Amino acid sequence: QVQLVQSGAEERQPGSSVKVSCKASGGTFSSFSIGWVRQAPGQGLEWTGRISPITGMTNYAQKFQGRVTIIADKSTSTAYMELRRLRFEDTAVYYCATMSNTRGSYYFDYWGQGTLVTVSS
Amino acid sequence: SYVVTQPPSVSVAPGKTASLTCGGDNIGGKSVHWYQQKAGQAPVLVIYYDSDRPSGIPERFSGSNSGNTATLTISRVEAGDEADYYCQVWDSSSDHPYVFGTGTKVTVL
Repeated sequence: QVQLVQSGAEERQPGSSVKVSCKASGGTFSSFSIGWVRQAPGQGLEWTGRISPITGMTNYAQKFQGRVTIIADKSTSTAYMELRRLRFEDTAVYYCATMSNTRGSYYFDYWGQGTLVTVSS
Repeated sequence: SYVVTQPPSVSVAPGKTASLTCGGDNIGGKSVHWYQQKAGQAPVLVIYYDSDRPSGIPERFSGSNSGNTATLTISRVEAGDEADYYCQVWDSSSDHPYVFGTGTKVTVL
């Protein structure tokens, strides 16, 4: 069973950047994609982007294009999400999750514990 | 992009059955996945591919999908089932392909 452990809470000022890590264990890192999903306070789940560690291919939600970068370090089984030019509305819990597709549709099967990113002046 | 809708809340008495819906245009033509999120915790996958249960998820959780509505059914509801439930689909033709519903808060009376 895959386990994902994320880095700790972060507080940043508007306009700055934050980088969140997600370390995987218990599975073959290159055998699944890693997605990032965020949840603003009291709100629902919102997909941010994903990476396929084996190919390095990334996809980002259009609203984050140009502000987000996701990378994967196969040597440490760790994925990273960097969000730049932070805004107050980026305050949220950011989750990483493994993504599987065994019958033609992707789903998020294992989740990290979440990282709270607070944007505050 | 594809839109899925969920009722904001459902209330159910212990031991009864809760039916949570997820609506979308011809959603029956897509696979629907469901997540349970308890307060302060990360989401947990409870149903995938409309009706499959991951290992460790009780048989009380079941799913179906047809037409414009997918349904998550929780039988013999327990106090521990109180949570937010989100449906999710993959819209391969969209530039925002991983779509979550707005979530349904299940309250156990």
